[in-house]
Amino acid sequence: GQNIDQPTEMTATEGAIVQINCTYQTSGFNGLFWYQQHAGEAPTFLSYNVLDGLEEKGRFSSFLSRSKGYSYLLLKELQMKDSASYLCAVRPLYGGATNKLIFGTGTLLAVQP
Amino acid sequence: DAGVIQSPRHEVTEMGQEVTLRCKPISGHNSLFWYRQTMMRGLELLIYFNNNVPIDDSGMPEDRFSAKMPNASFSTLKIQPSEPRDSAVYFCASRDPSSRGYTFGSGTRLTVV
Repeated sequence: GQNIDQPTEMTATEGAIVQINCTYQTSGFNGLFWYQQHAGEAPTFLSYNVLDGLEEKGRFSSFLSRSKGYSYLLLKELQMKDSASYLCAVRPLYGGATNKLIFGTGTLLAVQP
Repeated sequence: DAGVIQSPRHEVTEMGQEVTLRCKPISGHNSLFWYRQTMMRGLELLIYFNNNVPIDDSGMPEDRFSAKMPNASFSTLKIQPSEPRDSAVYFCASRDPSSRGYTFGSGTRLTVV
């Protein structure tokens, strides 16, 4: 089966750095994704990791450790508009069905002035 | 590119009625996914198609739910009969195998009273 865990809520201050963790247990592994979802809107793609290490994209970075079943999303220079839910998603690899994307329940981040 | 297009945006129906949700994927994307999002359970994958063929429908909750993809540019998710516990936001997403991300539509907010 699949299990993806991330904190339910986090609070951070504008201008600061925040790290959102995600741990997973899946049947095989074929990539980990982070999505951002503002209230009432669709999830939007932020990052993708399939190999161990850090992927940096502007103010956002994502890290993966496959041996530990662990990832984090790092947000720097926080802005008020970063207040949103951040979803960790894993693509399992089994039986040839490699297209499935399984989501965690999301971390609601509140950025305060 | 118009993105993934879903209709209707909002649907309010009475228990027992049939509900049909519609999705037009991005042109050229050969994979299509139906997700359901609730506060309690987060984003759940219901079913997905590759090249118009259903690959995995293990997430479809009951026989009341059915999905079709008659061609590469159109898919439907039908609930018959609908129940109040079906109230949720239903998202459609599509993916191009050459790209990393899955692109979501704006969703259909379904309320069954």
